[in-house]
Amino acid sequence: DAKTTQPTSMDCAEGRAANLPCNHSTISGNEYVYWYRQIHSQGPQYIIHGLKNNETNEMASLIITEDRKSSTLILPHATLRDTAVYYCIVRVAGVYNTDKLIFGTGTRLQVFP
Amino acid sequence: DADVTQTPRNRITKTGKRIMLECSQTKGHDRMYWYRQDPGLGLRLIYYSFDVKDINKGEISDGYSVSRQAQAKFSLSLESAIPNQTALYFCATSGGSNTEAFFGQGTRLTVV
Repeated sequence: DAKTTQPTSMDCAEGRAANLPCNHSTISGNEYVYWYRQIHSQGPQYIIHGLKNNETNEMASLIITEDRKSSTLILPHATLRDTAVYYCIVRVAGVYNTDKLIFGTGTRLQVFP
Repeated sequence: DADVTQTPRNRITKTGKRIMLECSQTKGHDRMYWYRQDPGLGLRLIYYSFDVKDINKGEISDGYSVSRQAQAKFSLSLESAIPNQTALYFCATSGGSNTEAFFGQGTRLTVV
C-alpha cells in the first residue's frame, strides 16, 4: 500500500485559501488520492478524490502533479468551521480484497480569525 | 436517519468482559470497515469485509473479532476487554474504491 506524508499542522487566516500538501511518492498507477477531514472526534467526512486529473467540487479543489507523486488540497476561502484534521489517503482501485482505506496521521489545520 | 449507525455511542465496561459494538448501514454497500482511534492519532484499521463471506484482518486485529451478519451489518467484538482497548471506534462503508466511504459517528469505549 502506498504511504502518504503530510505536515503535522498548518495555520490559515479566515477567508484565505488553505493549501494542504501531501506526498505519495510510491503511488501506483491504479491508486486514487482521497481527502477526508475529521472535526473534533466526529466520523471522518469525505472531501474529494482523484486519479490523474485535477478535481473540483463545492468543498475543495484537488491538484495532482503530473507524476502523481504529490497532491494539494485547496480550500479556496477557509472559514473557522474548516478547522479540522485533514487526511490524505491513497486507495487501490478495482482489486478485490485490497481496498483497505489506510489513514495516516493527517494535518491539523487551524483557521484563525 | 444516518447512513451508518453505530451502537452504542458510549460504553464503559470492566476488564475481562466481552463486549460487542454494532454497525449497520443503509447505503447498500458491500465493503465495511472497523477502525479505532486513540487520542491525537489517526484511524487504524482493525478488520474489513467485502461481503458477507469475506473477513480480513487489518493493521491491529489482535484482541478483536468481527461478524458480518448481513450485507448491512458488521459487528466488532472484544472477547476479553483490556484497558488499552479504550478508544474511539468507527465503522465505515463503501461502494468501491472510486466512491466515497461513509463513516458512523463513533463509539467511545472505556475499559476500566
